Amino acid sequence: EAGVTQFPSHSVIEKGQTVTLRCDPISGHDNLYWYRRVMGKEIKFLLHFVKESKQDESGMPNNRFLAERTGGTYSTLKVQPAELEDSGVYFCASSQDLDPFGYTFGSGTRLTVV
Amino acid sequence: QKEVEQNSGPLSVPEGAIASLNCTYSDRGSQSFFWYRQYSGKSPELIMFIYSNGDKEDGRFTAQLNKASQYVSLLIRDSQPSDSATYLCAVTGGGSNYKLTFGKGTLLTVNP
Repeated sequence: EAGVTQFPSHSVIEKGQTVTLRCDPISGHDNLYWYRRVMGKEIKFLLHFVKESKQDESGMPNNRFLAERTGGTYSTLKVQPAELEDSGVYFCASSQDLDPFGYTFGSGTRLTVV
Repeated sequence: QKEVEQNSGPLSVPEGAIASLNCTYSDRGSQSFFWYRQYSGKSPELIMFIYSNGDKEDGRFTAQLNKASQYVSLLIRDSQPSDSATYLCAVTGGGSNYKLTFGKGTLLTVNP
């Protein structure tokens, strides 16, 4: 079974530019989550999809962040315009059931805004 | 007050020793408790979860939970160099059984 795939693995962009991160969950997993780790801080929840619907986006930091999940399959997280404080590692996870026991995390995308 | 706190580390133990990792949490409504292991540049990997007070053992790993003290720990017996990684404590609760709240993690190094 393929795991959760995220790409790119690394991205370096200039302040003010736009970046789009992509996550491909495990096939058949209805639940998809985005988390972020800013340097020196803990991993924090951003949002949760069930299929194509956003169930909880309480962790999204501001309206510069837009997450979508087309057709309930892969998800994208767009940051526009990027700011320096957006630098960090963005993790995606997926699960079949609504229970963290079933979480499978991707390896993350390291975003650096310069 | 931070929601989940872990001993800051780094923690260094010799091979074969017991490594003890500690975590406290602030939300008394927390219901489920998890330990993830993360190798550098890799994804967090679930190694233990515990829901009830007491100890839970799985191979060389033992998770301990004390809800009255709001404390959860992970013991690694017979530590191996391959155990060297960052260990993340995470909890759920407060009405959500899917949203993980993580600590910053403790870097463990097992010296051969």
